Amino acid sequence: EVQLQESGPGLVKPSQSLSLTCSVTGYSITSNYWGWIRKFPGNKMEWMGYISYSGSTSYNPSLKSRISITRDTSKNQFFLQLNSVTTEDTATYYCARYPNNYYWYFDFWGPGTMVTVSS
Amino acid sequence: DTVLTQSPALAVSLGQRVTISCRASKSVSTYMHWYQQKSGQQPKLLIYSASNLESGVPSRFSGSGSGTDFTLTIDPVEADDIANYYCQQSNELYTFGAGTKLELK
Repeated sequence: EVQLQESGPGLVKPSQSLSLTCSVTGYSITSNYWGWIRKFPGNKMEWMGYISYSGSTSYNPSLKSRISITRDTSKNQFFLQLNSVTTEDTATYYCARYPNNYYWYFDFWGPGTMVTVSS
Repeated sequence: DTVLTQSPALAVSLGQRVTISCRASKSVSTYMHWYQQKSGQQPKLLIYSASNLESGVPSRFSGSGSGTDFTLTIDPVEADDIANYYCQQSNELYTFGAGTKLELK
């Protein structure tokens, strides 16, 4: 079965970069599309971006100047980097899989990792 | 952005039928999907493309709608269904509703 697991620092200082890893087992990231989604305190959810099976990316325009999604196919991992973070970036971060490139929903999710931005 | 509006909370009795609504600020055709999220867990896909039941999801869940108005129905409600429910559209990028908290009366 497809499994995703987020990892990374739980605390980041303002103005620094947030870096997270999504490790995928049971499925190759060279197939399908893979996304990052975050859920803020208060439950608002925001799509951040995705990386495709070929390595192409798409980002939420609201984050476009600060976000980068990359991958390491040899480790079957993909990564999120968010620069110049503020307290507004405090959230639970999820990685997830798109099952196809037609309807664009998420069928497998990681358990999430909480990131707090604070000095 | 396409804004999705959900009722914040619904109170239900076990065994009843409940409908959870999601209204889009512009038409999303049938590019609407529903998730269940329990406290401390990741979202779980229930319905994709407005009305398609995800594999392994109980048949008491169903979805309907097109354009701007969508509903998720649970019939009958079981104790395990007490959770938050989110809609998500994929017609124009991807946005989520704020969620509906299903509570017991």
